[in-house]
Amino acid sequence: DAKTTQPPSMDCAEGRAANLPCNHSTISGNEYVYWYRQIHSQGPQYIIHGLKNNETNEMASLIITEDRKSSTLILPHATLRDTAVYYCIVRVGNQFYFGTGTSLTVIP
Amino acid sequence: DAGVIQSPRHEVTEMGQEVTLRCKPISGHDYLFWYRQTMMRGLELLIYFNNNVPIDDSGMPEDRFSAKMPNASFSTLKIQPSEPRDSAVYFCASRGLGGANEQFFGPGTRLTVL
Repeated sequence: DAKTTQPPSMDCAEGRAANLPCNHSTISGNEYVYWYRQIHSQGPQYIIHGLKNNETNEMASLIITEDRKSSTLILPHATLRDTAVYYCIVRVGNQFYFGTGTSLTVIP
Repeated sequence: DAGVIQSPRHEVTEMGQEVTLRCKPISGHDYLFWYRQTMMRGLELLIYFNNNVPIDDSGMPEDRFSAKMPNASFSTLKIQPSEPRDSAVYFCASRGLGGANEQFFGPGTRLTVL
């Protein structure tokens, strides 16, 4: 059970913000949302995580709705190197439940 | 730190042969995870260890699969006998205490069973 739903693919123009949505309507109160990305043939790479507050780091921002049923990952200025599959994950205890992810293509 | 190290990076074997995949976690991390990735099923957790002890192996597909962690710096995933449907990319990840509790993934082993 992936616990998350994401659009299968998205395009974004280089230099623009990429907004990647995720639905996690069955999330429980103490379950964190994590975002990872996987560039072709590499291992998944951690981006950001949050519980209920919005979060920002050097890579991205994470916006979580007040009811916690959905979230959005924002890459503020997408570059060609951001082309990857982005996974929205719910962490239950020590386990990550990966969904099918969103394949983001950044277009020059 | 070199990150999580996996070997071999690629393995091609014939059906029925034994396959052993290896993982060295990041030094100081006390959790180790084995995942399998296929086009059909995506990323699946197979098993994870805490302080070298297997905690949850419910994702191991069948008895042909076994995993060990003899010490804090080494783990193996063994498939015996291997079958073509085991072809996949196998990832190892490790995690330490504190911080973001994020898992750090290795580069993976691409296994092809002919």
